[in-house]
Amino acid sequence: EDQVTQSPEALRLQEGESSSLNCSYTVSGLRGLFWYRQDPGKGPEFLFTLYSAGEEKEKERLKATLTKKESFLHITAPKPEDSATYLCAVQAPPGNTDKLIFGTGTRLQVFP
Amino acid sequence: DVKVTQSSRYLVKRTGEKVFLECVQDMDHENMFWYRQDPGLGLRLIYFSYDVKMKEKGDIPEGYSVSREKKERFSLILESASTNQTSMYLCASSRARGAGQPQHFGDGTRLSIL
Repeated sequence: EDQVTQSPEALRLQEGESSSLNCSYTVSGLRGLFWYRQDPGKGPEFLFTLYSAGEEKEKERLKATLTKKESFLHITAPKPEDSATYLCAVQAPPGNTDKLIFGTGTRLQVFP
Repeated sequence: DVKVTQSSRYLVKRTGEKVFLECVQDMDHENMFWYRQDPGLGLRLIYFSYDVKMKEKGDIPEGYSVSREKKERFSLILESASTNQTSMYLCASSRARGAGQPQHFGDGTRLSIL
């Protein structure tokens, strides 16, 4: 069964304290892995798409990496405004659907 | 930027009512999706559509239906609302079918069924 697992469920960081969020997945034929940021009371905001093992994408203090079994979202020198829930999703194998399979997210809190 | 607009941020309805949730996207996207999001369960796909007047069941379609009469608009219908349908409902759209197409989300409708 296709599945996405994110860890940890929650992470508390001091401002400037770098860390990583993990997304492990089992899917028969990865067509894309997506990272989203979700603020309280808002919809998920698209951050990155990764397609193949070894690929990396960066945006400000965030860097996403991909291996054959997992993806990491590295946060370098985080600021309080990086506090949010980060969601990972994988795209279903080829067929007649483009649905995404989501993990339950990592809730990140960054304290000044 | 992609704009996905959901008609209501908060909605309170009574058990047994027929409820309509509306979603409009302004980027001429082919695909549209409805999810519900519940604590500990993540986002679960209810229905999706690849084209006007076309619909496909997602993972949890029971108790819901959808309508797509125009390309930019996708409606979710709760035929007879029940308390277990209290949730955050999220609409999304993506440009076209194929690998690596990100979905873009609206800000959600928090629906309470009393």
